[in-house]
Amino acid sequence: EVQLVESGGGLVQPGGSLRLSCAASGFTSSTYWMSWVRQAPGKGLEWVANIKEDGSEKYYVDSVKGRFTISRDNAKNSLYLQMNSLTVEDTAVYYCARDQVGWHLRLGYYYYMDVWGKGATVTVSS
Amino acid sequence: EIVLTQSPGTLSSSPGERATLSCRASQTVSDIYLAWYQQKPGQAPRLLIYGASIRATGTPYRFSGSGSGTDFTLTISGLEPEDFAVYYCQHYGTSPPHTFGQGTKLEIK
Repeated sequence: EVQLVESGGGLVQPGGSLRLSCAASGFTSSTYWMSWVRQAPGKGLEWVANIKEDGSEKYYVDSVKGRFTISRDNAKNSLYLQMNSLTVEDTAVYYCARDQVGWHLRLGYYYYMDVWGKGATVTVSS
Repeated sequence: EIVLTQSPGTLSSSPGERATLSCRASQTVSDIYLAWYQQKPGQAPRLLIYGASIRATGTPYRFSGSGSGTDFTLTISGLEPEDFAVYYCQHYGTSPPHTFGQGTKLEIK
């Protein structure tokens, strides 16, 4: 069964750090871009970051640039999100997702998120 | 950055009815970059539609996606009780951020 399982969430004080992990099973994650998406309490979805198959390219939403780092260990089929300088605005459920790829004859590759984990809850509070 | 605006914010419908959800992009986008997700309370999002109109594996035929340019639509024909949820559109284009709309809550009338 294709599955993503997040871990590492918890309660942290403002200014603190936390590292989320996402374990992939049922597929070889090294052949996919992978993403982190978060959802603040009662709010919508926000794409946070993604990383290329080999880790050579990483992209972030502006609000986390310089504070969050996405990484992966393909030998362990795992994805990570290192979160530093956390603020109360970072309080959310964090989902990891697999970026599936399609091919369009004229436009080339396109992507969508076809597998999601159940999420890890991060609470930033004093 | 592409901004996606979904409407209505909340849609009240009854089982068996047809529901039409809208997603409007702030600029013209290629339809292959537009996806729809369903999220039920306490659950992770689930991919429904990608490429604006292609049903994901396991998506029932009553769900259909359409649109082009700046206007996209998710239609649910013959609402089932399990369809009442929040729906998000997403633009996953060639450049980040890969933004989501703010969501439409489909509730039982």
